[in-house]
Amino acid sequence: KNQVEQSPQSLIILEGKNCTLQCNYTVSPFSNLRWYKQDTGRGPVSLTIMTFSENTKSNGRYTATLDADTKQSSLHITASQLSDSASYICVVSAQSGNTPLVFGKGTRLSVIA
Amino acid sequence: GAGVSQSPSNKVTEKGKDVELRCDPISGHTALYWYRQSLGQGLEFLIYFQGNSAPDKSGLPSDRFSAERTGGSVSTLTIQRTQQEDSAVYLCASSWDGQGAYGYTFGSGTRLTVV
Repeated sequence: KNQVEQSPQSLIILEGKNCTLQCNYTVSPFSNLRWYKQDTGRGPVSLTIMTFSENTKSNGRYTATLDADTKQSSLHITASQLSDSASYICVVSAQSGNTPLVFGKGTRLSVIA
Repeated sequence: GAGVSQSPSNKVTEKGKDVELRCDPISGHTALYWYRQSLGQGLEFLIYFQGNSAPDKSGLPSDRFSAERTGGSVSTLTIQRTQQEDSAVYLCASSWDGQGAYGYTFGSGTRLTVV
């Protein structure tokens, strides 16, 4: 069964600190993996997309990694800001199947001063 | 329009009433997903439309839930005889294709409150 598991479920960090969010998946055959940021009351917004051949991709203070062998991805946030407080959702696309898109349940990040 | 539009943005309804939620995807997007997000919970898949193919309804939680996509564009999610546990934010997303190779865009959601 195609699944995406994210950890931790929630995280609280001090402003300025770094953090890493994890995503493990069993989706097969794999197409791509995206990290989304969802602010409270808003729809998710894409941060990065990674395909099978990509190991690392950065978007400002966000760096995503992908290990296609172990089927793991991480999202590293550097020098966190209060505005980083949001839910971060890992979404994996399958190349085929009735429902190609598989969502993780997200990690709720709270950055405090 | 430039993005995925959902309406209404907020809906308060009495238990037992029927509600209809609307999603207007980006023009030309063939794939459309409905999800819901209960307070403090992750996204729960409801239904997936891809072009003219039969929709994947495997995520619909009960037969009170149904969805249509007319003309391959606008979609409506209908909840009959609403219950309090139906209270959630209902999100719609669309993409050029099911795999989202060209990206998928989410609407801002409809916040449904059943009282």
